[in-house]
Amino acid sequence: EDQVTQSPEALRLQEGESSSLNCSYTVSGLRGLFWYRQDPGKGPEFLFTLYSAGEEKEKERLKATLTKKESFLHITAPKPEDSATYLCAVQAPSGGSYIPTFGRGTSLIVHP
Amino acid sequence: KAGVTQTPRYLIKTRGQQVTLSCSPISGHRSVSWYQQTPGQGLQFLFEYFSETQRNKGNFPGRFSGRQFSNSRSEMNVSTLELGDSALYLCASSGGRGASGRETQYFGPGTRLLVL
Repeated sequence: EDQVTQSPEALRLQEGESSSLNCSYTVSGLRGLFWYRQDPGKGPEFLFTLYSAGEEKEKERLKATLTKKESFLHITAPKPEDSATYLCAVQAPSGGSYIPTFGRGTSLIVHP
Repeated sequence: KAGVTQTPRYLIKTRGQQVTLSCSPISGHRSVSWYQQTPGQGLQFLFEYFSETQRNKGNFPGRFSGRQFSNSRSEMNVSTLELGDSALYLCASSGGRGASGRETQYFGPGTRLLVL
């Protein structure tokens, strides 16, 4: 069965302390890997889409990378406003369709 | 460009009742997907509609149904509500031009449903 596993489940950082979140997947025929940020009580906000191993994308303090088995979301010098749950999702063929599968997320808290 | 909108934002129902949730996708998007999010199960796919046809379906009971209109707006219905249906229901839209598997989905704010 296809799986998406995110680690760690929770992460506490001091402001300015860089770190990485991991999303590992065991799907066949990956078509796309997506990162979202979700604030409490709100819908996920799109961050990045990665399509092939070796691809990297950046946005402000965030950088997403992709290998054949996992993706990393690197957070450089985080600020308190980066506190949120970060979700990854993979899209791969399943019975002729492409239903995205989401990980459980990493809850990030950045302390001032 | 307006984002995905969902109505209502909050809803309280009692067991056995039914509920209808509405979703308006981003202008020009033809695919609408519905998800249920709970603390215990995370984000789970319910179904996807494209051009008024259900294209994909997740593993939820038949009490969960949906439809899409010609203007791409979508509704989700849950009949005979159970306590376990309490959740955040999210709608996501994408261009849905084809089954490429490379569509980015944009989410709405969700409808918080509480079943008493």
